[in-house]
Amino acid sequence: NAGVIQTPRHKVTGKGQEATLWCEPISGHSAVFWYRQTIVQGLEFLTYFRNQAPIDDSGMPKERFSAQMPNQSHSTLKIQSTQPQDSAVYLCASSLYRGSSGNTLYFGEGSRLIVV
Amino acid sequence: QQQVRQSPQSLTVWEGETAILNCSYENSAFDYFPWYQQFPGEGPALLIAIRSVSDKKEDGRFTIFFNKREKKLSLHITDSQPGDSATYFCAASANTGYQNFYFGKGTSLTVIP
Repeated sequence: NAGVIQTPRHKVTGKGQEATLWCEPISGHSAVFWYRQTIVQGLEFLTYFRNQAPIDDSGMPKERFSAQMPNQSHSTLKIQSTQPQDSAVYLCASSLYRGSSGNTLYFGEGSRLIVV
Repeated sequence: QQQVRQSPQSLTVWEGETAILNCSYENSAFDYFPWYQQFPGEGPALLIAIRSVSDKKEDGRFTIFFNKREKKLSLHITDSQPGDSATYFCAASANTGYQNFYFGKGTSLTVIP
């Protein structure tokens, strides 16, 4: 089992450019989560898919962030017109979904985005 | 609104001491509380978890103590080792079928040899 795979591991982008981050969840996992991690805010929830359908995007900054899950093997997080405050580690996690609490999140190693 | 709070933000202990990490929560519907451990450059990984029907969960040197009435829990790491130096996140989820997790901001633990 390869674990959750995130690419790229590091990305440096200029202010105003677009950044796309990819996540490949563990095969068979039906729930996919995106989090943003910074020193100040810790782990911030961004969005959550279940069986490829968006369930909750309440953590997503509305104007420039979007996420998709076109198939069960990958999800993307796109940030348009990147700003320095978007600099963070973006973590993807997947889990089985059993309709109850107690599921384990399996995190990828993260994509470190630096906006200069 | 921060649904899960952790303290202290950082903690330093000597090797062999017991490290105590604290966590509190707001939502009475939370019934599952995992702790995740994160090393630099890696994603968080599940360390130990407890359900609200229990008041204690032990796994080797790691023990969770849970107080449902006060909505507080703590992670005790006995005989701390330098390899335990990491950031520890307390999380919570509710048995609503929704299955989202709420994380605290983490405690950075340093164990000095």
